[in-house]
Amino acid sequence: QKEVEQDPGPLSVPEGAIVSLNCTYSNSAFQYFMWYRQYSRKGPELLMYTYSSGNKEDGRFTAQVDKSSKYISLFIRDSQPSDSATYLCAMSRINNDMRFGAGTRLTVKP
Amino acid sequence: EPEVTQTPSHQVTQMGQEVILRCVPISNHLYFYWYRQILGQKVEFLVSFYNNEISEKSEIFDDQFSVERPDGSNFTLKIRSTKLEDSAMYFCASSEYMDSPLHFGNGTRLTVT
Repeated sequence: QKEVEQDPGPLSVPEGAIVSLNCTYSNSAFQYFMWYRQYSRKGPELLMYTYSSGNKEDGRFTAQVDKSSKYISLFIRDSQPSDSATYLCAMSRINNDMRFGAGTRLTVKP
Repeated sequence: EPEVTQTPSHQVTQMGQEVILRCVPISNHLYFYWYRQILGQKVEFLVSFYNNEISEKSEIFDDQFSVERPDGSNFTLKIRSTKLEDSAMYFCASSEYMDSPLHFGNGTRLTVT
């Protein structure tokens, strides 16, 4: 089993839709969970950062962590064409050796 | 907003040559990292650096690679004798503390011919 699994998509939704992105992981020692957004030819841009289980909301974005199921999610409400990008989940025990998912490519169509 | 800057944006080199990739981390950050992303593949951890020492490194980071903080602002990754399979995007990142989120630069695209 891969340490971090993420469906690479592609995922295409109409503008205004709710987007759900997910990752599963196998290492129960992970404590820090992050979502990054990556536009073409750019570096990963931090969207959400959570420690341990629970929910975190920031504007249109909500991150959920369920450590018992080893499952994390990112929800995007009222999706916009500018949200079109690749979304990377990442996690670590400490930030020295963060593990990334493969990334899900999202397209939001006007 | 402060950001991590990387130069050059694109580096082309011949196999066997040495390359140095440069990064200027965010000024008050203490932890520095290099990651690599081969085209179409995952972002992979290479090395972390703190207090002028490597604190963690992956199996990818072999003797061909080295890192240095030559002054108070720059952080470099050197590849001594490049191979074709070193072609990738190399991302520098920094964080304020060990458990702070990482902030990434826009990467250097390394092409080895």
